[in-house]
Amino acid sequence: AQSVTQPDIHITVSEGASLELRCNYSYGATPYLFWYVQSPGQGLQLLLKYFSGDTLVQGIKGFEAEFKRSQSSFNLRKPSVHWSDAAEYFCAVVFNAGKSTFGDGTTLTVKP
Amino acid sequence: NAGVTQTPKFQVLKTGQSMTLQCAQDMNHEYMSWYRQDPGMGLRLIHYSVGAGITDQGEVPNGYNVSRSTTEDFPLRLLSAAPSQTSVYFCASSNPSGGLNTEAFFGQGTRLTVV
Repeated sequence: AQSVTQPDIHITVSEGASLELRCNYSYGATPYLFWYVQSPGQGLQLLLKYFSGDTLVQGIKGFEAEFKRSQSSFNLRKPSVHWSDAAEYFCAVVFNAGKSTFGDGTTLTVKP
Repeated sequence: NAGVTQTPKFQVLKTGQSMTLQCAQDMNHEYMSWYRQDPGMGLRLIHYSVGAGITDQGEVPNGYNVSRSTTEDFPLRLLSAAPSQTSVYFCASSNPSGGLNTEAFFGQGTRLTVV
C-alpha cells in the first residue's frame, strides 16, 4: 500500500542550530513530493516540491529537501533555525494526480 | 486572488444536527478534496473530486456527503453530526496537469465541534 511516514512526532532544536526532518514513502515509482508547514490555527503552506530533475530542491524560508530514490526519502533541512520556524511540518506525496497523502506531521519547537 | 475559501471558520453542532461546510476556489482547478485533521493523525482524505459532476471516496468517507455541480464549489455535508466528527476540516484544490502544478492549495480550515 502507498504510505508516507514521518518518524519524528516532535523535534526540539535551539535557535541557530541546523534542522533535519525525515520523510519516507512507500510506492513502486517516484511520486510527486511536497513539504508543507502549518502554523497554529492556520492552513498549510507549501515549502517546496519535487517531481523530477535535480534531487536537491530549494524552497521558501531557507528550507531545502533532498530526494533519495534508494532510500525512498525526502528529508527537509535548514542550516540555521529561527524562532519563527516553530510549527508543524507535513510531508506529502501525490501518488495519483490530485490525491495527496500526508504523513502524520512533525512538530518543531525552537528553544531560545 | 482569494485562492481557496472555506466557510464557516468555526462551528458548534449538537449531535444529530446536519450542516454543510462550504469550499470555493477561484483558480479553475479541476481537483478538489476534503481532509480532516486530528491530533497525531495528520490529514486524512474524506472525499475528492476530479472535476464537476465527479466525486469519489477517500480514506474516511463515512458520515459525509459531497457534490460537485460546478468547478468552483465543493461543499461537504455532515448528515447527522457525531462527536467523532469533531475535527478541523480543510478543503484543497489542485491542477491536474501534473508536475510542478500538482501542489495542493489549502483553505484556512473549519474548526468543527460536535457536542
